[in-house]
Amino acid sequence: EIVMTQSPATLSVSPGERATFSCRASQSVSSNLAWYQHKPGQAPRLLIFGASTRAAGVPARFSGSGSGTEFTLTISSLQSEDFAVYYCQQYSEWRMYTFGQGTKLEIE
Amino acid sequence: QLQLQESGPGLVKPSETLSLTCSVSGDSISSGTHYWGWLRQPPGKGLEWFGSIYYSGVTYYNPSLESRVTISVDRSKNQLSLKLKSLTAADTAVFFCARHLPGVNPFDAWGPGTLVIVSS
Repeated sequence: EIVMTQSPATLSVSPGERATFSCRASQSVSSNLAWYQHKPGQAPRLLIFGASTRAAGVPARFSGSGSGTEFTLTISSLQSEDFAVYYCQQYSEWRMYTFGQGTKLEIE
Repeated sequence: QLQLQESGPGLVKPSETLSLTCSVSGDSISSGTHYWGWLRQPPGKGLEWFGSIYYSGVTYYNPSLESRVTISVDRSKNQLSLKLKSLTAADTAVFFCARHLPGVNPFDAWGPGTLVIVSS
């Protein structure tokens, strides 16, 4: 099983500033990496797939990078609606999709 | 507009079998364009994928959960279902249904989830 490790567990950032999330895979997942945003009581939302491709309707302030085992999600200028929990997921290993533990983005 | 909505009992007893349903609107499971899956998130923990099903009934499961899980589809109702047997307190979680394209692809649509508590 590929273990996904996210850091930090909590990120405190002020609106208008940049937020950077890290995700590390225990072995290479190539570019088969997705990022999701999850707000309490709502459906998780796909933000990024293929490590760097924004899903339909996702604002340009969200960007993803990386390949292999190291990945980053960046929100360039935080808006109030961006405060949520962010998860990475590898979908490289068939029948063993795995997720990170999540990073909670909170208002500083 | 695509919507997925999970429903279930909320509270179940240990050793019993959990049955959940996911109702899909805005897309047809029978279209065959996507797989439909189940995931869960225990309190304070990460997401865990159970398995996915195609409209034809072809399923594939997470090997670590396969012995306790059955996923099925009712095309007439545009629903998918999850059965999880031999419940323990460790199965307490928010359960989600989600959709993904065939092959290795992410989940591009999710339901809001339903909380299931396993307790006597």
